[in-house]
Amino acid sequence: GAVVSQHPSWVICKSGTSVKIECRSLDFQATTMFWYRQFPKQSLMLMATSNEGSKATYEQGVEKDKFLINHASLTLSTLTVTSAHPEDSSFYICSANLGQGTPYEQYFGPGTRLTVT
Amino acid sequence: KNQVEQSPQSLIILEGKNCTLQCNYTVSPFSNLRWYKQDTGRGPVSLTIMTFSENTKSNGRYTATLDADTKQSSLHITASQLSDSASYICVVIMYSSASKIIFGSGTRLSIRP
Repeated sequence: GAVVSQHPSWVICKSGTSVKIECRSLDFQATTMFWYRQFPKQSLMLMATSNEGSKATYEQGVEKDKFLINHASLTLSTLTVTSAHPEDSSFYICSANLGQGTPYEQYFGPGTRLTVT
Repeated sequence: KNQVEQSPQSLIILEGKNCTLQCNYTVSPFSNLRWYKQDTGRGPVSLTIMTFSENTKSNGRYTATLDADTKQSSLHITASQLSDSASYICVVIMYSSASKIIFGSGTRLSIRP
């Protein structure tokens, strides 16, 4: 079956530093990937839609200069949290569509726990 | 406003019992509805996907129903097991060029031995 991986699974960083999170589709090509943030006991919140070879589309209220997204290949998208602050501490999850158009099947990564001290 | 509402917010049942989770949506135009299971600290895993024309779909002990007229869906879990303890998320996909995804807030299910 389709597998999406994320790296790292957890990371602790100091306030003011930048952190990069990778999302890979291991056995399929994904033209579109999504990045979500999830706070404790809350549902996923879509941050941005990442399209291979083009700029990401950010949801309202998400700072594109703070959350840099790069989708350089059909199997890799990266999310860089720049100048991280404690309020950025959260669970970040990516997902990838199998196929194009309406996302009939969407596979989620295992998530990355970010803690900013 | 496009919304997905789930109930109950949380539920505790004894192992072996059945339960039903509810999902009401106001999303339009509708493309498909999905139920996901999310274990604590993990990414969501797909349980079922239903399009407009599908009324019911099963995946093992999980059975989802969809009433597109009333815009309601349910997820029925039969003979619950301790491993069913998780959050269950209802997701509705809008039919549009952007394929907007609307998440419900989830139901936290706890199975007690």
